[in-house]
Amino acid sequence: TQLLEQSPQFLSIQEGENLTVYCNSSSVFSSLQWYRQEPGEGPVLLVTVVTGGEVKKLKRLTFQFGDARKDSSLHITAAQPGDTGLYLCAAKGGATNKLIFGTGTLLAVQP
Amino acid sequence: NAGVTQTPKFRILKIGQSMTLQCTQDMNHNYMYWYRQDPGMGLKLIYYSVGAGITDKGEVPNGYNVSRSTTEDFPLRLELAAPSQTSVYFCASSIGNTIYFGEGSWLTVV
Repeated sequence: TQLLEQSPQFLSIQEGENLTVYCNSSSVFSSLQWYRQEPGEGPVLLVTVVTGGEVKKLKRLTFQFGDARKDSSLHITAAQPGDTGLYLCAAKGGATNKLIFGTGTLLAVQP
Repeated sequence: NAGVTQTPKFRILKIGQSMTLQCTQDMNHNYMYWYRQDPGMGLKLIYYSVGAGITDKGEVPNGYNVSRSTTEDFPLRLELAAPSQTSVYFCASSIGNTIYFGEGSWLTVV
């Protein structure tokens, strides 16, 4: 059973458009992270959020952690072809502190 | 500055063969993980370890075994390879909220 569900699973947009990717769970997490992965490489950390309601910005990317710390969103403004990749949320919580990844959102930005 | 090193990078196995994916880290991290990733999908946790001598199952442990005799090493064993185990495998270690990934091992079972 996948604890972290991402939506949409696939997204193909034109350069300049805005988009939002969602990461949802029924569990509460102590922290949540967003990663971006390019083909043939490992995931690269974009951001970590730890406080319910927290909003972080990284250039054109805005990350939000839900108030109840069960969900998160990633918003990209004016997408560029260089944003193309697989976006993954990941979270850990509970006594074991193991890191679980979401189902992934594959983004393609067409020039 | 090696970080997390995993070998081999590519391997083709026949059904029923066994093999070990090696993983070592030189950062003295207690937490280590093995994930598998199918094309276009997220990473699924196979096994993880919170320290030497301690291992625990993740989301998809069936068909795999691990050991953690030292802090540095966390090998992943496939005893009877099956086509369903064709995937990319990532080893990782972490401290706090920062996780470090190896470069991945591409495994094909035919």
